[in-house]
Amino acid sequence: EAQVTQNPRYLITVTGKKLTVTCSQNMNHEYMSWYRQDPGLGLRQIYYSMNVEVTDKGDVPEGYKVSRKEKRNFPLILESPSPNQTSLYFCASSESPFPRETQYFGPGTRLLVL
Amino acid sequence: AQTVTQSQPEMSVQEAETVTLSCTYDTSESDYYLFWYKQPPSRQMILVIRQEAYKQQNATENRFSVNFQKAAKSFSLKISDSQLGDAAMYFCAYRVNTDKLIFGTGTRLQVFP
Repeated sequence: EAQVTQNPRYLITVTGKKLTVTCSQNMNHEYMSWYRQDPGLGLRQIYYSMNVEVTDKGDVPEGYKVSRKEKRNFPLILESPSPNQTSLYFCASSESPFPRETQYFGPGTRLLVL
Repeated sequence: AQTVTQSQPEMSVQEAETVTLSCTYDTSESDYYLFWYKQPPSRQMILVIRQEAYKQQNATENRFSVNFQKAAKSFSLKISDSQLGDAAMYFCAYRVNTDKLIFGTGTRLQVFP
């Protein structure tokens, strides 16, 4: 089954404790992206990757890092989480970066930073 | 700046009735793509329907259809024969270039039996 998986689905942590949210897709997609969803703001793009070893900032990259060492994986790293990073995070992938391609979303990761 | 506006934070509809969710967008591009995503309580984002800007014909997927008015920059979603399972948050999204999918703030749809 074609899918995007994220782990963990729920995470409670404390300020400053480094964490990683994993994202994996089994569709051999080149393009992957991370979004955060906050009430009243919709989804905002954090980082995206056009292919292995190619990443770039989205609209709200501050406080986040990503890496793309393998095509299927695109982890999101919070080196020193802060309470304003409490949010719902989505990973997405598409076959290519072209706008006609539909993005497939993971199930979401709910993060609470205390 | 490219923006997507959903002016209805909440909507409600009776089961089996029809409801229309509004979306407007702002862009100077001529070629782009528009999407409606559904987010049920499970929080997953599910693609409902998409529309290519260069196509004049409105997209349709079973009970879901859009009214795409390019000149007015309007992209509304019509849900016919509403079902209880349609209750969800609906996001309008716009995509241009290679890297950006811009979302509206969402409309929460309630379906009453």
